[in-house]
Amino acid sequence: GQQVMQIPQYQHVQEGEDFTTYCNSSTTLSNIQWYKQRPGGHPVFLIQLVKSGEVKKQKRLTFQFGEAKKNSSLHITATQTTDVGTYFCAGHAGGSYIPTFGRGTSLIVHP
Amino acid sequence: DAMVIQNPRYQVTQFGKPVTLSCSQTLNHNVMYWYQQKSSQAPKLLFHYYDKDFNNEADTPDNFQSRRPNTSFCFLDIRSPGLGDAAMYLCATSRGVNNEKLFFGSGTQLSVL
Repeated sequence: GQQVMQIPQYQHVQEGEDFTTYCNSSTTLSNIQWYKQRPGGHPVFLIQLVKSGEVKKQKRLTFQFGEAKKNSSLHITATQTTDVGTYFCAGHAGGSYIPTFGRGTSLIVHP
Repeated sequence: DAMVIQNPRYQVTQFGKPVTLSCSQTLNHNVMYWYQQKSSQAPKLLFHYYDKDFNNEADTPDNFQSRRPNTSFCFLDIRSPGLGDAAMYLCATSRGVNNEKLFFGSGTQLSVL
C-alpha cells in the first residue's frame, strides 16, 4: 500500500532559526496536503498542492511539491514560538479520496 | 460557524466497559472519518463512511464499531475497551470528491482505568 514518510520526527530550533520538514511518498500523488496540530489540539488544514513543481507561500511558510509529485517540503523562515506544533503531510494517490498521513514532524521553538 | 463537534472532550471509562463517542457536523459533508491518535503518532484511520457506505480499515479491531444514523452524526462504539485503547479519537469530515481537505473536530481524549 501507499506509504508516506516524513522527516525529521522532532526538530528543536532557537527562535528566529529556519525549519524544514520533508515528506516522501512511495507512489505518485495526485496532491499533497499539510496540516498543523498544536499541542493538545487537533489537526488544522494549512494548504494543498496539486501541480508538479508547485510552490506556495503563506507568510513565513513555503510549501513545495516535487516535480515527480512524490515529495514535498514545508519551510518556515525565522521561526516564532507560535509555530510550535506537529506538522503533518497527507497525500492522495490514484483515485482515492482517503489521504495517507505522514508520521509528522514536531517543531519545538526555544525562546 | 459550520464545524465538526465532538463530545465529550474527555472521557474516562473502565476496562471492559462499553463507551460511545459522538461526532456531529454542520458542513453537510459526504464523508465522515474516525481516527485514533496516540501520543507523538500520526492519526490512524479506523473507518469512514461515504454517505451511508461503511468502510472499515483492514487492521481496525472488531472491538471498534461505528454508526452513522444520518448525514450529520457519527458514533464510535468501543465494545470492550482495553488499556491499549486509551488515545485521542478524532472525527473528521470531507466533501469526499476531488481529494478535498479534512476538517477535524477537537477530539475526545479517552482514558481507560
